[in-house]
Amino acid sequence: GAVVSQHPSRVICKSGTSVKIECRSLDFQATTMFWYRQFPKQSLMLMATSNEGSKATYEQGVEKDKFLINHASLTLSTLTVTSAHPEDSSFYICSARLRLGGNEAFFGQGTRLTVV
Amino acid sequence: GDSVTQMEGPVTLSEEAFLTINCTYTATGYPSLFWYVQYPGEGLQLLLKATKADDKGSNKGFEATYRKETTSFHLEKGSVQVSDSAVYFCALSDGNAGKSTFGDGTTLTVKP
Repeated sequence: GAVVSQHPSRVICKSGTSVKIECRSLDFQATTMFWYRQFPKQSLMLMATSNEGSKATYEQGVEKDKFLINHASLTLSTLTVTSAHPEDSSFYICSARLRLGGNEAFFGQGTRLTVV
Repeated sequence: GDSVTQMEGPVTLSEEAFLTINCTYTATGYPSLFWYVQYPGEGLQLLLKATKADDKGSNKGFEATYRKETTSFHLEKGSVQVSDSAVYFCALSDGNAGKSTFGDGTTLTVKP
């Protein structure tokens, strides 16, 4: 099956610094990737839709200047949390949709971000 | 917009008990339906899926049938094991945009 790899799996950073999270589709091309955020014991909330070669589409309430998304190739999307604060601590998960259609999205393993 | 309503948890069962986790959805068009499982500290794993009405998804003893008339996709397992303890998410995927909408998750704990 299709594999999506997310890196790093865990990261701890200091307040005010920036953190980059990578999402790669290993064995397929993905024109569209999605970034979700999960608060403890809660569901996944869609943050943004990342489209290869164009600007990401952010959900209402998500700060685009704080959560920078780049989808430079058909196999890689990155999420950068800029000037991180403790309230940004969360579990971030990406997913990728097969280029040639199909409704199934394949999820990465997630990244646990802790801002101290 | 699309939404998924999932049975509230937590659910605690004894080993070998029957499991049902209810899930209903609201969507325009014809979404695909999924159940995902999340073990502590890990990402999501696809458990099963159904892409059209009356399809039955099954995996590892879990089953769910896509019921368009009741807009439901209830998860069932005849005999749960301790290793099934996890959080289960019902989700739908928009065929056009491809993004997923999740239910709130149900925490299942199976005791020996």
